[in-house]
This record gives sequence, structure tokens and C-alpha cells, in this order.
Amino acid sequence: EVQLEQSGAEVKKPGESLKISCKGSGYRFTSYWIAWVRQMPGKGLEWMGIIYPGDSDTRYSPSFQGQVTISADKSISTAYLQWSSLKASDTAMYYCARLGSRVYNYFDYWGQGTLVTVSS
Amino acid sequence: EIVLTQSPGTLCLSPGERATLSCRASQSVSSSYLAWYQQKPGQAPRLLIYGASSRATGIPDRFSGSGSGTDFTLTISRLEPEDFAVYYCQQYGSSLSWTFGQGTKVEIK
Repeated sequence: EVQLEQSGAEVKKPGESLKISCKGSGYRFTSYWIAWVRQMPGKGLEWMGIIYPGDSDTRYSPSFQGQVTISADKSISTAYLQWSSLKASDTAMYYCARLGSRVYNYFDYWGQGTLVTVSS
Repeated sequence: EIVLTQSPGTLCLSPGERATLSCRASQSVSSSYLAWYQQKPGQAPRLLIYGASSRATGIPDRFSGSGSGTDFTLTISRLEPEDFAVYYCQQYGSSLSWTFGQGTKVEIK
């Protein structure tokens, strides 16, 4: 069974750093792209970026380029999303999602989400 | 960047009724690259439709997708109580980039 297990909720202060994780299981982790999607409170879905764990090829949405870093450790089937200096506006739910097909380019499996709260 | 505009913002219907949700793109989108997701409160999104009209694994046949070019539609033929949720369309652009519509909420009348 394909699963994406995300790390737990975080409460941070502005200016702090953070790295959240997404562990894949039940499939060949290195063969599927993993995306990160933001959902701000009461708002819609925003694609942030995507990584191919096989070779760490990474692409970012222009809206998030330079604001976050996406990485992966294929030895432990885990993708990461990190911030070097959080802002209050980073408060959101963050989902990882597997790109199920490079023919149709849809996200077939999603993690349960990691809630990040940034508050002084 | 292609912008997806979903309408209506909210759809108020009763169980058993038909729901028709629209997703309009700012420029032409390949039908292969248009997907729909359902999101219930407190849950992650779930893939419903890909390739504009193909149902994902396990999705009931009351859900159907159609459209081409800039206009796409998700239809729920007869609403079940569990179908009241928010629905998002999503498109894949060139060079590995994706965008979502702003969502349509289907709520109980």
C-alpha cells in the first residue's frame, strides 16, 4: 500500500528555521516525483515545488523560489521542505503528494499534512 | 502561467441532485493534463479525475469529467451525503509546473 507519512505539527517563532518531512512507503521512492503543496487557513491549494528523489532534480513555483528549499534523502525514502527564516505568513498546512504519472501529471497519493504555525 | 478559474464559488444543493462544476483556463490546456480533486474538512485532497475524463481508482461512476481547451466540467450525477466537500481543478503546465483552481464548495441546501 502506497503511503506518504508526514512529520507532526510545528509551532515556531518568526525568524526560526524549520524542516518538515514526508516519508514514502509501499512503492519505489526513487521512481516518482514528490511535490509540496501549501494550503493557508481557509484557502485553496498552491503548488510549491517538486523533487525527483532518484537524482534530486528539483523545480520550484516562481512564488516559492528562494523562499523554501526542497530536498530528499533516498536512502530513507524521505522528502523534505525547509525554511531558513519563518514568517507569520508561512502559517499553513503543508502537504506532500506523489506525482502518479508523467503522462497525465496528476497527484495520486497525498500525505496527511503538516500544520505549521508561526507566531511570536 | 495558466490561471484556472472555478465557478461557482459555492454550490448549494440537496442530496440526490446533480452538481455541475466549472473550471476555466486562461489559455488552452491539454486535456491530458487536467485533473480534479475532492477535499473534505480536515483531510488531504483526493484525486477524482485525471486526463479530464478518466476516473481515478475507486472513484464512483457518479463522478464524471469532461471538456477541452479552456473549459472543463466536473459532474456529480446524484449527490450523496459524502460528496459535500470542496473540489479543485488542477492543470500541468510546461517545464514541470502545476496550478490549482481556487475551489468550488458543494454544500448541503
